[in-house]
Parts: sequence; structure tokens; C-alpha cells
Amino acid sequence: NAGVTQTPKFRVLKTGQSMTLLCAQDMNHEYMYWYRQDPGMGLRLIHYSVGEGTTAKGEVPDGYNVSRLKKQNFLLGLESAAPSQTSVYFCASIRLGGEQYFGPGTRLTVT
Amino acid sequence: AQSVTQLDSQVPVFEEAPVELRCNYSSSVSVYLFWYVQYPNQGLQLLLKYLSGSTLVKGINGFEAEFNKSQTSFHLRKPSVHISDTAEYFCAVSDPGYGNKLVFGAGTILRVKS
Repeated sequence: NAGVTQTPKFRVLKTGQSMTLLCAQDMNHEYMYWYRQDPGMGLRLIHYSVGEGTTAKGEVPDGYNVSRLKKQNFLLGLESAAPSQTSVYFCASIRLGGEQYFGPGTRLTVT
Repeated sequence: AQSVTQLDSQVPVFEEAPVELRCNYSSSVSVYLFWYVQYPNQGLQLLLKYLSGSTLVKGINGFEAEFNKSQTSFHLRKPSVHISDTAEYFCAVSDPGYGNKLVFGAGTILRVKS
């Protein structure tokens, strides 16, 4: 099993550009999550999904959209990137019992 | 809403000394509790978890944590640290509501000195 994978690993955007981050998991997990990590703030939940075709807002959803068209994939979109969205983004999926498995992260810089 | 407080942002300690990283959470209802470790420029790795049962939980790399329901705490301990334990440690609590969401603390950087 590859576990949770994220594409790309690094990206630099200019203000106003758009991009999509891809998260894929091969563990048949129902729940998937997108977090952002900023220094001194831990991880904050952006959006999450409890199954194919469902999405819900987390703690910091503004400026992001998500889609879960297939159970194994969870996409995070930035329609118009802003410098405040410079961060490290982590995807996670969950198995029964509450343990979340994390991807390796995507480091995004918006200039 | 759930919240998690990690009481120390940085903990310096000498090699082979004991260490305790403190974590308090807000909820009084049944929760799941976790400690994750993040090495520089890497993702998060689960150290240990409390779901139910014994309040003393043992994890990987010699770490353990004690769940204290009355004090809503879940402190992480190791009796003797190594240089390789230098990393950032995150305490997290599950939100028992919809979606099994995790709420994270701000993190504690453990710096082990020789």
C-alpha cells in the first residue's frame, strides 16, 4: 500500500493564480481531510469529507474549495491564491478507531 | 468546540534526561486522544493513541502518555531522550461529532542537547 500520497510536493504561485492539490489514498478509507500547517498554530482543518460525493467545511475554509468525486481522491482547489495561503498542506484519511493517516505534505508559496 | 492546549512551545533537555510534554484538552465527554511527531520537513507520524481502557498508553520509540480524565490532560513522557528525538510533537483530540475531526494543539518543539 502506498498509504496517503499528495501531488505536488512543492509549488510556487503568483497572487491570483489557481491550482489544485491532489490527495490519494489506497486504504479504502471513508473519511478524508485537508489541513494547513503554519508555524506556532499546529494543524488547522480546511475541509473534510465523510464519503464519496460529500464535503464539509472545517475551521479555515475561506479561499478553498474541495471535491470528492471518487472515494480514493480528495482535491483541494485555490481559485485565486493569496500570500496568506502560503503554508504546508497536509491530507489525511481515517480508519475505524479514529487514527488518521497523513500524507507527506505540499509546501505552497504564494508570492 | 474542542480545544487543545500544549503548555510549552519549546522544551530543551539534555540527552538521557527524562522529559514530559504537557497537553490539556477542553472536552469533558468521551474523546480519543493522540500524540503525533513531526521531524523536520516531514509529515506527521503517530506516536500513540488513547481510545479506551488503560489510562497509561505506550507508544513507539519509548514514549508513553497518561490519560487523566479529571484533569483533562494527556501528557507525553519519555524516561531517557536521545538526540534523534529532536522534533515537533503535536497533541490532538478527536471531535466526537460529525466527521471524526481532529483538533490539534499548537505543537511543542523538543530540542535534545548533547
